[in-house]
Amino acid sequence: AQSVTQPDIHITVSEGASLELRCNYSYGATPYLFWYVQSPGQGLQLLLKYFSGDTLVQGIKGFEAEFKRSQSSFNLRKPSVHWSDAAEYFCAVRRAAGGTSYGKLTFGQGTILTVHP
Amino acid sequence: IAGITQAPTSQILAAGRRMTLRCTQDMRHNAMYWYRQDLGLGLRLIHYSNTAGTTGKGEVPDGYSVSRANTDDFPLTLASAVPSQTSVYFCASSDYRDREKNIQYFGAGTRLSVL
Repeated sequence: AQSVTQPDIHITVSEGASLELRCNYSYGATPYLFWYVQSPGQGLQLLLKYFSGDTLVQGIKGFEAEFKRSQSSFNLRKPSVHWSDAAEYFCAVRRAAGGTSYGKLTFGQGTILTVHP
Repeated sequence: IAGITQAPTSQILAAGRRMTLRCTQDMRHNAMYWYRQDLGLGLRLIHYSNTAGTTGKGEVPDGYSVSRANTDDFPLTLASAVPSQTSVYFCASSDYRDREKNIQYFGAGTRLSVL
């Protein structure tokens, strides 16, 4: 069965500092990978996705993520964090194609980001 | 465009009571999903529906039921609520027919407390 691990439950950074949120997955088939962000009291918003091709993908709000197949990782990065980036971030995986279950997402546990001024 | 609307926003419910969480989408997506979010566990899939008239069980289906009578609505029912069902519930939808664009969009959630 597939699984997603986000090793860091809570990360605190200063505004303007760089950020990297880790995501590791275990998946038997070719995965599609996603990062979602959840602001307090809100639903989830898609930040970026990886389907195939260039392993460095750009998303909204200045975020990027790099897919590393050899490490089964899909880490999220941002060069300079803004106070408005404080939120909870979720990594998710689903199978690329085939079968009735291919639309279903498996989520990591989430990483809470706190930004200090 | 409203996207996905969930109701109620929050609810306090006595154990043993029946409760239906409502979810409506206006994007004509054929697939819909219900997740529960618990601290430290992320989001876990409860039930899903790939198209109107069909439903399937997710990772944590026990104690929940769903129906999909039409494309737009996907209600989640707790027949007899228990305290362990205290959680935040999210509904999502996606265009299941387009494999490349099968992106899930989420509602704002329903916060449910079962006492």
